[in-house]
Amino acid sequence: QVQLVESGGGVVQPGKSLRLSCAASKFTFSSYDMHWVRQAPGKGLEWVALISYDERRSNYADSVKGRFTISRDNSKTTLYLEMNSLRVEDTGVYYCARALRDCGGGGCSTRHFDYWGQGTLVTVSS
Amino acid sequence: QSVLTQPPSVSAAPGQKVTISCSGSSSNIGNNYLSWYQQLPGTAPKLLIYENNKRPSGIPDRFSGSKSGTSATLGITGLQTGDEADYYCGTWDSSLSTWMFGGGTKLTVL
Repeated sequence: QVQLVESGGGVVQPGKSLRLSCAASKFTFSSYDMHWVRQAPGKGLEWVALISYDERRSNYADSVKGRFTISRDNSKTTLYLEMNSLRVEDTGVYYCARALRDCGGGGCSTRHFDYWGQGTLVTVSS
Repeated sequence: QSVLTQPPSVSAAPGQKVTISCSGSSSNIGNNYLSWYQQLPGTAPKLLIYENNKRPSGIPDRFSGSKSGTSATLGITGLQTGDEADYYCGTWDSSLSTWMFGGGTKLTVL
């Protein structure tokens, strides 16, 4: 069974940095695009970032662009999210998710997320 | 405020049927696959419907999905108390090259 296990969450002060990890197993990690999705306390799901299977494509939500960096190490089957200049509004549970992609003449898109991790809580507070 | 619009809440009695709508635009729902996710209290989201109307293995046929133009609908029949959860629609936006979720709908089984 596919496994995605996030780690690295914790309490951090505004302006500081944090690095999340998502350890993947039981599937060919290097064949799949991966995403980060977050959920503020009591709020809905918010898409954060994506990275293609081969690291050639990445994109970010406007709310994190320039502050967060998504990366992956296919040899370690691990996905990362480097979060800098953290704000109070970045507080929430961060999930990694495996994505199925569609690629055609116009580029690649994400079809859906078939597996999710259990999430890791990030609290930004002074 | 989400680009994909869902009703904040719906409710129905056990055994009844409920539908949840998801409205978007031609750059997202209109030209991409739509999926639905169920999030039970305190748990991670789970894929419920993919590619507009397909169910993953293990999802009962009480759950169905449809899409028409720039809108989609999740249907749940034979409601059970265990169906109480938040439901999210999601799709790709071709103009932004980003994924997006609806705001979520809380289902209450009275």
